[in-house]
Amino acid sequence: QKEVEQNSGPLSVPEGAIASLNCTYSDRVSQSFFWYRQYSGKSPELIMSIYSNGDKEDGRFTAQLNKASQYVSLLIRDSQPSDSATYLCPYNQGGKLIFGQGTELSVKP
Amino acid sequence: DTEVTQTPKHLVMGMTNKKSLKCEQHMGHRAMYWYKQKAKKPPELMFVYSYEKLSINESVPSRFSPECPNSSLLNLHLHALQPEDSALYLCASSQDWGASSYNEQFFGPGTRLTVL
Repeated sequence: QKEVEQNSGPLSVPEGAIASLNCTYSDRVSQSFFWYRQYSGKSPELIMSIYSNGDKEDGRFTAQLNKASQYVSLLIRDSQPSDSATYLCPYNQGGKLIFGQGTELSVKP
Repeated sequence: DTEVTQTPKHLVMGMTNKKSLKCEQHMGHRAMYWYKQKAKKPPELMFVYSYEKLSINESVPSRFSPECPNSSLLNLHLHALQPEDSALYLCASSQDWGASSYNEQFFGPGTRLTVL
């Protein structure tokens, strides 16, 4: 089992829709979970950090964490073409960020 | 200021060359990282420095040599690289490091390295 499993992409949504990105992970101990956005040819950009069970909202982004179910998600409301990117959801394991393969999101105008 | 800077942005080198990548942060972070990223793959951790000491070396070949001159600077010295080492090299920093830390990492823009 992979340590981090993400939606297989590419995920395509129309402009203005809600994009839903999901991750499941194998580690029950980690306390820190992150969402990064990476545009093609650019470096990862931290968009959300979440440490407690429940929801965390920042503008159009909402992260949801359920440690018991080993699940974290990211909802992007009112998706824009500028949200088209690869999304990564690493978690902290012993000081290392453990990455999945990423989910490519495409928002169509 | 949440910026990590890296130089150069692009580097082309031959297999016999020696070059260095540089990274700088002024956020007062105590941990700095080097990652390698190939196309359509997630970043792959190479080295971690915590309080200017090497804490993790992910079995990286010796042709890559990290150096942390002070808490704000991180270098990666390159020598006798192979074409398969061509990749985006990313530097990151975080406030602290370890299993109990939040480990919120901020990435620099990267250096695109091509080995001929």
